[in-house]
Amino acid sequence: NAGVMQNPRHLVRRRGQEARLRCSPMKGHSHVYWYRQLPEEGLKFMVYLQKENIIDESGMPKERFSAEFPKEGPSILRIQQVVRGDSAAYFCASSPPSMNEQFFGPGTRLTVL
Amino acid sequence: AQSVTQPDIHITVSEGASLELRCNYSYGATPYLFWYVQSPGQGLQLLLKYFSGDTLVQGIKGFEAEFKRSQSSFNLRKPSVHWSDAAEYFCAVVYIQGAQKLVFGQGTRLTINP
Repeated sequence: NAGVMQNPRHLVRRRGQEARLRCSPMKGHSHVYWYRQLPEEGLKFMVYLQKENIIDESGMPKERFSAEFPKEGPSILRIQQVVRGDSAAYFCASSPPSMNEQFFGPGTRLTVL
Repeated sequence: AQSVTQPDIHITVSEGASLELRCNYSYGATPYLFWYVQSPGQGLQLLLKYFSGDTLVQGIKGFEAEFKRSQSSFNLRKPSVHWSDAAEYFCAVVYIQGAQKLVFGQGTRLTINP
């Protein structure tokens, strides 16, 4: 059973470009979570999604950030018009229904030049 | 506000010595509690978790943690550390009454002296 997959592992963007981060949850997991880890900090919750639904987006910045988890395919975290402050590691986690344990992917490290 | 505190940003211990990493949470009820380890450039691996029952929890790699309700703490321990234990350790909680999101502490970086 493959773990949580994230791609790309490393992403470099120039200011103003768009970043798309992908997350494929573990087989059988219908819940996806995105977290951001800024340098020298812990992980901060961004958004919690189930298939085709955003359940909790209380940690998402109000502008430029969006997330989706379509019926088919991976979950996507999209950052429009990136700025240097978006440089961070973005982690995806997944869990099956009715389970409080989350399984983490290896992360995508975004660098904004 | 719901928060998790790891008071020690950086700890250095000698190989073979015992280890205790501290974690405190703020909440009236008992949350679900976790310890994760992160090696440089890697994702997070679950060491152990506490949901209910026995307050002393055994995890992988020889780690254990003890939940103390009176102190709102969930400290991680290991009797004898190995050089491979050098990593960043994160305490995290899920507050049952809220959404299913993990609230993380700031992390404790563990360095092992040979």
